[in-house]
Amino acid sequence: NAGVMQNPRHLVRRRGQEARLRCSPMKGHSHVYWYRQLPEEGLKFMVYLQKENIIDESGMPKERFSAEFPKEGPSILRIQQVVRGDSAAYFCASVVTGREAEAFFGQGTRLTVV
Amino acid sequence: AQSVAQPEDQVNVAEGNPLTVKCTYSVSGNPYLFWYVQYPNRGLQFLLKYITGDNLVKGSYGFEAEFNKSQTSFHLKKPSALVSDSALYFCAVRDTNSGYALNFGKGTSLLVTP
Repeated sequence: NAGVMQNPRHLVRRRGQEARLRCSPMKGHSHVYWYRQLPEEGLKFMVYLQKENIIDESGMPKERFSAEFPKEGPSILRIQQVVRGDSAAYFCASVVTGREAEAFFGQGTRLTVV
Repeated sequence: AQSVAQPEDQVNVAEGNPLTVKCTYSVSGNPYLFWYVQYPNRGLQFLLKYITGDNLVKGSYGFEAEFNKSQTSFHLKKPSALVSDSALYFCAVRDTNSGYALNFGKGTSLLVTP
């Protein structure tokens, strides 16, 4: 959905570098999800945030990955010391509050680690 | 725990014929069920959802899905397929007894041939 903006669309990083992925939710949406899509696999839940609060991070790898959604500005997914296995498409989705609400997805950031 | 199964990696159908993309789920509470479609190099687009009420849900682009509680299924259907329907389809579930994670199936590739 064009309303959820992710940048960059493509990101190339060398092993050991840091990757920062940004997501601006749709206007009026207060929560965001981050998902990872690996080749030949489905979408894997990573984290669910509202502004200034992590609600559910049960899908986040224990090391090197972190996410934030500050009061002002986009949500950031940060991957430190990237490895080749981090190469994937990372999708952000925004929702209005409530479990029953559909999530609106951005076009994703395709991370390639070389 | 919640999970989603899409038993078919690929579904082939001729244009004009009805199509069905299968989805079964497993949750501990009541399910919120969703279907999304993904076109190449794009994010996911919401098609339809079941929260409560009528078991037959109508969504975008002529798609519909039927919630069957006894079979724990939520198959996606369309009476007459179009070539432009060719895409990757994802079923997703959110368990009312669990957190906020929206769990996706691995996806089914739909190919509609002229």
